[in-house]
Amino acid sequence: SAVISQKPSRDICQRGTSLTIQCQVDSQVTMMFWYRQQPGQSLTLIATANQGSEATYESGFVIDKFPISRPNLTFSTLTVSNLSPEDSSIYLCSHLGGENTEAFFGQGTRLTVV
Amino acid sequence: GEDVEQSLFLSVREGDSSVINCTYTDSSSTYLYWYKQEPGAGLQLLTYIFSNMDMKQDQRLTVLLNKKDKHLSLRIADTQTGDSAIYFCAERMATDSWGKLQFGAGTQVVVTP
Repeated sequence: SAVISQKPSRDICQRGTSLTIQCQVDSQVTMMFWYRQQPGQSLTLIATANQGSEATYESGFVIDKFPISRPNLTFSTLTVSNLSPEDSSIYLCSHLGGENTEAFFGQGTRLTVV
Repeated sequence: GEDVEQSLFLSVREGDSSVINCTYTDSSSTYLYWYKQEPGAGLQLLTYIFSNMDMKQDQRLTVLLNKKDKHLSLRIADTQTGDSAIYFCAERMATDSWGKLQFGAGTQVVVTP
């Protein structure tokens, strides 16, 4: 399986600013996924990122708030814009490995907005 | 509400077996997964099962799938203190060819000496 490296692992940001999270995979993958885990909650899919096309967002998530880049088959970024305390969450990237059967996750980025 | 449901808490004694249960609603789900999340960490894939199987065993882990009842369980044999964590089940729908997952709320497992 491809190894996923995500950074930063945590950050504390001022409201109104933005945070960009990077996700690097050590082999080429077709799809990458970005999830949010709010405090004490389960994971919710934000968007699916395919290389060379615009990300596909789930209901309740919009590009202006969560712009995503996918410049090549090994890298993606998620930006959380115009931060508010409600954005305090863990953000995780994911991809499929093992002949597209196993879904692997990065270690997550813990964001606290003050 | 969520399509995947789990009980929120399970307490088990060290050395006993743990059984974590999950129900899902999409009968066309292709794969079902179990993840472990320790405090401050990301998600670790423990195991998964394809929908045409009814059991899968991997060392201390046994997954049972009842498609008729849309019920999934994870049994951990000889539970250790290091097994204390939140366990998530997740389903991947057949209608989704991209691989996005629908997660349950997670079961907090506490292992006591």
